[in-house]
This record gives sequence, C-alpha cells and structure tokens, in this order.
Amino acid sequence: AQSVTQLGSHVSVSEGALVLLRCNYSSSVPPYLFWYVQYPNQGLQLLLKYTTGATLVKGINGFEAEFKKSETSFHLTKPSAHMSDAAEYFCAVTTQGGSEKLVFGKGTKLTVNP
Amino acid sequence: ETGVTQSPTHLIKTRGQQVTLRCSSQSGHNTVSWYQQALGQGPQFIFQYYREEENGRGNFPPRFSGLQFPNYSSELNVNALELDDSALYLCASSRRDRDYGYTFGSGTRLTVV
Repeated sequence: AQSVTQLGSHVSVSEGALVLLRCNYSSSVPPYLFWYVQYPNQGLQLLLKYTTGATLVKGINGFEAEFKKSETSFHLTKPSAHMSDAAEYFCAVTTQGGSEKLVFGKGTKLTVNP
Repeated sequence: ETGVTQSPTHLIKTRGQQVTLRCSSQSGHNTVSWYQQALGQGPQFIFQYYREEENGRGNFPPRFSGLQFPNYSSELNVNALELDDSALYLCASSRRDRDYGYTFGSGTRLTVV
C-alpha cells in the first residue's frame, strides 16, 4: 500500500524567499508522484508530476520537484515566493497499472508574508 | 478543451437524506474518479469508473455508490447521510493508460445538518 507524508502542516515564508515543501512517500513499486495546489474554495490544480525519466521535474508557476528514490522523497521548491503562491499544497502518489487511484498527503498550507 | 464540471457547487442536506452529485469529465477523458476531502485533510479516494463500471474502491461504505454514463459523465450517490459526510467532494477525470493526467473539478461542498 502506498502512503504520503507531508512534513509541516503549515509553512510560512517571506515574499522573495525560497519555498521548500517536503513530501516523503512509501510504495512497494515504482511510484508516480504529483504535486497539486488548492486555493480557497477551489479544486485541485496540477503543479507538476513525475512518471518516468528525468528526476528533476519543472512545473507551472516556477515550481520544481526532485524525485529521490534513495530518500523516498519528492520535495517541492520555488526559488522566490510570491504572494500569489499562498495556498494549500498536496503531494500524491500512485503506481502504474491497477486502479490508478491517487493517495494524498494531508497537505501543507503555505503563507507568504510581505 | 473543456475542463471538469461539477454540480451543484454547494448543497445542504439533513441527516438521513440522500444526495446525488454530478460530474462532467474533460473532453477526451474516459475515466472518472471521486474523492472526499474533509476539512483540513487531503482528498480520500472513494471510487473510480471506467467503461461504465466501478474500477477500484476506497474504504467507503456501500451507501456511497456511483454511475458512469456513455458520455463519460458520472454521478456520486450517498444514501442515509451522516454528519461526517460533510466534506468537499471532488471529481477527477483522466484518460486511462495515458500520462496520468488527472483533471479535477472545483468540487461540491456538502453540508449535512
């Protein structure tokens, strides 16, 4: 069974500072990994995903994440935070084949201070 | 390319009632999944439909049921509503075996009183 742990339910950064949101996964088979963002009262928007190939994945809005198999991690980063990045971020895992269900972490709420 | 549309956006029901939520999948997608997101939690997988049949189910009781129609739209039905069913219900569509490109709708906020 797969699981996702997001370290830190709340992260606060200053505008222009580095954003680092942590995600560790557990999977007995090669995982596919995702980061989604959720703004208040909205659905989920895909930021980026890792399926196969290059382990450094670039997404929308300047975000990127690196798949590290040895550390079972898929941390999300952005070099310079913007006020519009304030939202909740979810890491999710699935595996090739099967029912393709996504298993989500509990989320990290990002606050950006002016 | 149309996205995923869910209706209604908000709903208030009384405990014990039944509710139906609707989802129109993105053009070109043939698979629909439903998720429940309780306040302050990550989404939890309810079930998935492919070719009008349930194709995988999470840890939800049988009073949660669904349908997928020939046009790939879907319904989520919940019978005998309980207070703990209050949540945001998210629908996600995808094209099976292609790139794991899940597209989520904006959700239906269900409040059970």
